Amino acid sequence: KNEVEQSPQNLTAQEGEFITINCSYSVGISALHWLQQHPGGGIVSLFMLSSGKKKHGRLIATINIQEKHSSLHITASHPRDSAVYICAVSSYGQNFVFGPGTRLSVLP
Amino acid sequence: DAGVIQSPRHEVTEMGQEVTLRCKPISGHDYLFWYRQTMMRGLELLIYFNNNVPIDDSGMPEDRFSAKMPNASFSTLKIQPSEPRDSAVYFCASSFREGQPQHFGDGTRLSIL
Repeated sequence: KNEVEQSPQNLTAQEGEFITINCSYSVGISALHWLQQHPGGGIVSLFMLSSGKKKHGRLIATINIQEKHSSLHITASHPRDSAVYICAVSSYGQNFVFGPGTRLSVLP
Repeated sequence: DAGVIQSPRHEVTEMGQEVTLRCKPISGHDYLFWYRQTMMRGLELLIYFNNNVPIDDSGMPEDRFSAKMPNASFSTLKIQPSEPRDSAVYFCASSFREGQPQHFGDGTRLSIL
């Protein structure tokens, strides 16, 4: 069993839709990270969280430590949100273990 | 700040040749990471440094791979001899502290023919 799993693997949405990407993990962590990889390949860190919820613009990330689960939400999705979203976890004394990524396509 | 700078952006070379990838982390960041990304395996951590010292190299595939960080502003990842299965995108990232958000370079797309 992979340490970090994501669902769905692929997601196609219409512009304006509310999007949710899920991440579950099986190890103890100190923090969970959401990364965005654009079609050109560049990787950007979106959120780092260890509890609760964080919001940045149209993006919201939540984490439930007891259930070992995190969600990334995108409100009012836009074609420019099309990218691969990667969940990664870090543990004390270790570093990132990555999920397989969720490929999001937002159609105009 | 210029961000994490990697060079070259693209490298195409023949099997058996030595390949050297370079990375300049963000000034003041104590941690530097090398990752490899392939379609089959996704993103994988190869090695990371703290204050120029290698901490965990368990992700380095085999002896053909080596990484150095001679000072706080420069790191190299070397493959010798290179093989076609080494073809991937190699990312360098740096962070201020362990577990903190990492800043990624643009990556080096390596193709071994």
